[in-house]
Amino acid sequence: KAGVTQTPRYLIKTRGQQVTLSCSPISGHRSVSWYQQTPGQGLQFLFEYFSETQRNKGNFPGRFSGRQFSNSRSEMNVSTLELGDSALYLCASGQAGALYEQYFGPGTRLTVT
Amino acid sequence: AQKVTQAQTEISVVEKEDVTLDCVYETRDTTYYLFWYKQPPSGELVFLIRRNSFDEQNEISGRYSWNFQKSTSSFNFTITASQVVDSAVYFCALSRTGNQFYFGTGTSLTVIP
Repeated sequence: KAGVTQTPRYLIKTRGQQVTLSCSPISGHRSVSWYQQTPGQGLQFLFEYFSETQRNKGNFPGRFSGRQFSNSRSEMNVSTLELGDSALYLCASGQAGALYEQYFGPGTRLTVT
Repeated sequence: AQKVTQAQTEISVVEKEDVTLDCVYETRDTTYYLFWYKQPPSGELVFLIRRNSFDEQNEISGRYSWNFQKSTSSFNFTITASQVVDSAVYFCALSRTGNQFYFGTGTSLTVIP
């Protein structure tokens, strides 16, 4: 079974631009969560989608948004990029009903210059 | 509020030594889940173990063992006879709902050959 895939793996953007990151969960998984990892703040929860609905949201500004498609693939969008948005963005998928095991993708390394 | 503390930022051990990674958590919930993840240099978080709050049995898996003590709100991780391949950042995490994780800041383990 293929694991969680994230595209692109690396991205360089300029301050003020916007970016869209993509996550394809493990086949059959309907839950997708996003995390931001930075050296200063560590791993922080962004949001979680299940069956195309956002179920939980972390404490991030509205510039961070996401969505999930009917095939469970998810996208995360960051608008008006700031230098502090430079981070590793990790996506995790989980099965409905299979409690609390999340499988993480390799992440997208975003650098904002 | 949920919080996970990993007081050890960096640990270095010589190969074949035993090492214990500490994890202390805070939660007011009676039902919760604790996890350990390994993050090798590639960046992908690898699931190691999940424990629910009602199961305080210690667990051993090969060279890995976990000690869960509700009385001290701790969920410590021991690697016996460490190997160079164990070098990674290890994260302890807490989840109340299963779809939102609170991570500790991680412990970077270096095993010196």
